Amino acid sequence: AQSVTQLDSQVPVFEEAPVELRCNYSSSVSVYLFWYVQYPNQGLQLLLKYLSGSTLVKGINGFEAEFNKSQTSFHLRKPSVHISDTAEYFCAVSDPNTHMNYGGATNKLIFGTGTLLAVQP
Amino acid sequence: GAVVSQHPSWVICKSGTSVKIECRSLDFQATTMFWYRQFPKQSLMLMATSNEGSKATYEQGVEKDKFLINHASLTLSTLTVTSAHPEDSSFYICSADGYVLPYEQYFGPGTRLTVT
Repeated sequence: AQSVTQLDSQVPVFEEAPVELRCNYSSSVSVYLFWYVQYPNQGLQLLLKYLSGSTLVKGINGFEAEFNKSQTSFHLRKPSVHISDTAEYFCAVSDPNTHMNYGGATNKLIFGTGTLLAVQP
Repeated sequence: GAVVSQHPSWVICKSGTSVKIECRSLDFQATTMFWYRQFPKQSLMLMATSNEGSKATYEQGVEKDKFLINHASLTLSTLTVTSAHPEDSSFYICSADGYVLPYEQYFGPGTRLTVT
């Protein structure tokens, strides 16, 4: 079974400082990896995803993540954070072998427990 | 593009009553919709996967008779919490998949249910 671990429940950081949010996964097969952001009382928005190819993935809002197969990690980074980046960040994994065969449909996502990024002025 | 809406955004109901939550894909056809439950300060827990025109697939531990899911069209799925109890109070989020971009789910804004 797949699982996702986000070791840091909360990461405080000052504005304009760099940040890294950690994500490790456990799977016996290759996986697709995702980072989502959730602002208070809102749904989730996709930041970036890794399906295959380059291990460095760039997303929206200046975020990027690096897939490291040997360490089974997919850490999220941003070189300089803003107050507006304060939110909950979720790492998620899905099994590409169970994806449906038509038109790029997805299968279920397994989410980590989330990391609250608290940006302070 | 790829917008998913939920209605209502917030609902309060009395214990023992039922409440229906709608999830709509506004600008695409959603072949598959997912329903999640999120407790305060916790992650999303997948409750069920629904495909248009067929019965929903529930995750282990989720009561089918309590959480009724209907995916009657390619743009609408509903979650009905039957005989609600205070422990059903939670944030319910739906997502939809519909070929807009591969391997992406598009999430609704969520519905906060409070059962008194």
